[in-house]
Amino acid sequence: DQQVKQNSPSLSVQEGRISILNCDYTNSMFDYFLWYKKYPAEGPTFLISISSIKDKNEDGRFTVFLNKSAKHLSLHIVPSQPGDSAVYFCATRRMDSNYQLIWGAGTKLIIKP
Amino acid sequence: EAQVTQNPRYLITVTGKKLTVTCSQNMNHEYMSWYRQDPGLGLRQIYYSMNVEVTDKGDVPEGYKVSRKEKRNFPLILESPSPNQTSLYFCASSWARGGTEAFFGQGTRLTVV
Repeated sequence: DQQVKQNSPSLSVQEGRISILNCDYTNSMFDYFLWYKKYPAEGPTFLISISSIKDKNEDGRFTVFLNKSAKHLSLHIVPSQPGDSAVYFCATRRMDSNYQLIWGAGTKLIIKP
Repeated sequence: EAQVTQNPRYLITVTGKKLTVTCSQNMNHEYMSWYRQDPGLGLRQIYYSMNVEVTDKGDVPEGYKVSRKEKRNFPLILESPSPNQTSLYFCASSWARGGTEAFFGQGTRLTVV
């Protein structure tokens, strides 16, 4: 069973506009939610995280929103830049499984010039 | 420069021929892990190690072995590779299990024919 789902395999956004990437989860025992970014031929790199006790965390152009009642996480990128074109992975940390990280399948973001 | 180094980057092998993928980190991290990435499935953990001589199974350990004789190295061993182990493999390290900021290697693309 997939505990973390990224339902959009890809997303295309115009440069300068807002990119919104979504992630849904099923387990209430997650205490941290993370976004990683991956360029081709490279490993994922940490982007931003949010604790389950918060509903928003901001870092420059990147903002992560957490809606616990809906079990939904989103990443907003404003404004989108060509260098943001990458695959974005949502990941969560399970409190009840020795803090194991559970990963979504990823969303490929394409920023059009 | 802080990094996780995997070798080789690309490998094509035949069924049953033992192989080792090396992983080394220079950040003195205690926790290291191996993941495989398959289309539509995200990252799945194969094995992890909390410290020297301490290893444990992740979600998909069948067909793999690991060892942690030194803190910096965590090789992945496929004793008898099969075609279903064709995948993209990533080594990662962090200060502790469940550390929200994990550092990943560049990946090893393995093809078993």
